[in-house]
Amino acid sequence: EVQLVESGGGLVQPGGSLRLSCAASGFIFSDYWMTWVRQAPGKGLEWVANIKQDGSEKYYVDSVKGRFTISRDNAKNSLYLRMNSLRAEDTAVYYCARSQRRLDYWGQGTLVSVSS
Amino acid sequence: QSALTQPASVSGSPGQSITISCTGTNIDIGSYNLVSWYQQHPGKAPKLMIYEDTKRPSGVSNRFSGSQSGNTASLTISGLQAEDEADYYCCSYAGRSTFYVFGTGTKVTVL
Repeated sequence: EVQLVESGGGLVQPGGSLRLSCAASGFIFSDYWMTWVRQAPGKGLEWVANIKQDGSEKYYVDSVKGRFTISRDNAKNSLYLRMNSLRAEDTAVYYCARSQRRLDYWGQGTLVSVSS
Repeated sequence: QSALTQPASVSGSPGQSITISCTGTNIDIGSYNLVSWYQQHPGKAPKLMIYEDTKRPSGVSNRFSGSQSGNTASLTISGLQAEDEADYYCCSYAGRSTFYVFGTGTKVTVL
């Protein structure tokens, strides 16, 4: 059974940093692109970042370029999102998802709140 | 890249059919046959319902069907049931740098 479990969310002050993790199981992690998607409270879904199977290609939505870094550790079956210079508008539930030109499995999400 | 356009809400009675539209452009929906649809119940993660415009993942009811023409995709739910009440999002693959563009979301209400 495919499982994705996010962790690392919490309350952080504007300008602060946070690292999200996503533990994958039930599939060959190194065979798949992986994705982070976020959803601000009461709002829709927004693609945040993608990473290739071997980590050699990474892509970001414009609003997080230069602030967020997606990475992965295939030996640990884990996906990460390092978030720096956080802003109030980054407040959202962050989901990791398996990517095959569609997002076929999602984690349960982790809430990031940016507030003073 | 702008969000794909969906109606804010659609409603129907049990047993009826409803259709949700998703309008994009020729750089997303119109360029790829790669529209997917997601169902999201309150407080839950999205669930893939349709992919590659028309395909259903294993385990998804055949009451859900998808179509695409030009820059518009559609999701039809037939035989509407109470459990179908949820938010629905379309999503188009949009190329190597943008990857995914989501729709604005549609709240489906079962009357």
